[in-house]
Amino acid sequence: DAMVIQNPRYQVTQFGKPVTLSCSQTLNHNVMYWYQQKSSQAPKLLFHYYDKDFNNEADTPDNFQSRRPNTSFCFLDIRSPGLGDAAMYLCATSPRGLASYNEQFFGPGTRLTVL
Amino acid sequence: ELKVEQNPLFLSMQEGKNYTIYCNYSTTSDRLYWYRQDPGKSLESLFVLLSNGAVKQEGRLMASLDTKARLSTLHITAAVHDLSATYFCAVGSSGGGADGLTFGKGTHLIIQP
Repeated sequence: DAMVIQNPRYQVTQFGKPVTLSCSQTLNHNVMYWYQQKSSQAPKLLFHYYDKDFNNEADTPDNFQSRRPNTSFCFLDIRSPGLGDAAMYLCATSPRGLASYNEQFFGPGTRLTVL
Repeated sequence: ELKVEQNPLFLSMQEGKNYTIYCNYSTTSDRLYWYRQDPGKSLESLFVLLSNGAVKQEGRLMASLDTKARLSTLHITAAVHDLSATYFCAVGSSGGGADGLTFGKGTHLIIQP
C-alpha cells in the first residue's frame, strides 16, 4: 500500500545533541511537509518542500533544518535540541499538481524526547 | 495571518446524543479539512471540503462548509464511544497553493457510555 513512513517512531536524544528524523513516501507526491505538535496542541507547520524548492515558515527556529535528496525522502535535522523541542513530529505529503485541493496525508509521527 | 478557532475545545457527552463542533477561520479560503487524532497517534483525514455549501457525511459524522461565514461544522449524530478522540479542523490558503495547513487547537471529545 502507498504510504508515508516515518523513522524512528520514538527518538530519545540529549540536550544539545544533533538528531535527524526521517520521512519517506511511496505516494510519489511532490510536496512534503514537516509539522511539530507539542503535547495537547495543534500541529504547527515548520517548512515544506515543493519538489526541490524549500519553503521555510517565518517563525521556524534556525535550529531546525530540512533536506530532501529525492522525491521519496525528506529529513528533519535538529542541530541542537532543547527541552522545548520535545514533541511529536509529523511528516505529510500532498499531490500538488495532480489535484488543486492539496489534501495532505500524514505519516505516523516521530515522538522526540530530549533529556 | 490566517487564524483558525475551534469550539468547544473540550466536550464530554453521553452515547446516543448529538453535538456539533464549530470551526471559524479568519481569512478567505477555499479548502477546509477535518482530521481525527487518537492519543499518541497521527492524524487521520475525515473530510475535505472545497466549496461553499459543501456537505459530506461518513457514518455518524457530517461536515459542512459556509465560506461566506468562514465557518465549518462537524456534527456528531447518536454518538458512540468509538468516536472519542481529538478532532482538528485545518484550513489551507486560498488559491490551492502548496502551502501548509493552519490548524485549530482541536476539540477533545470524550463519549461516555
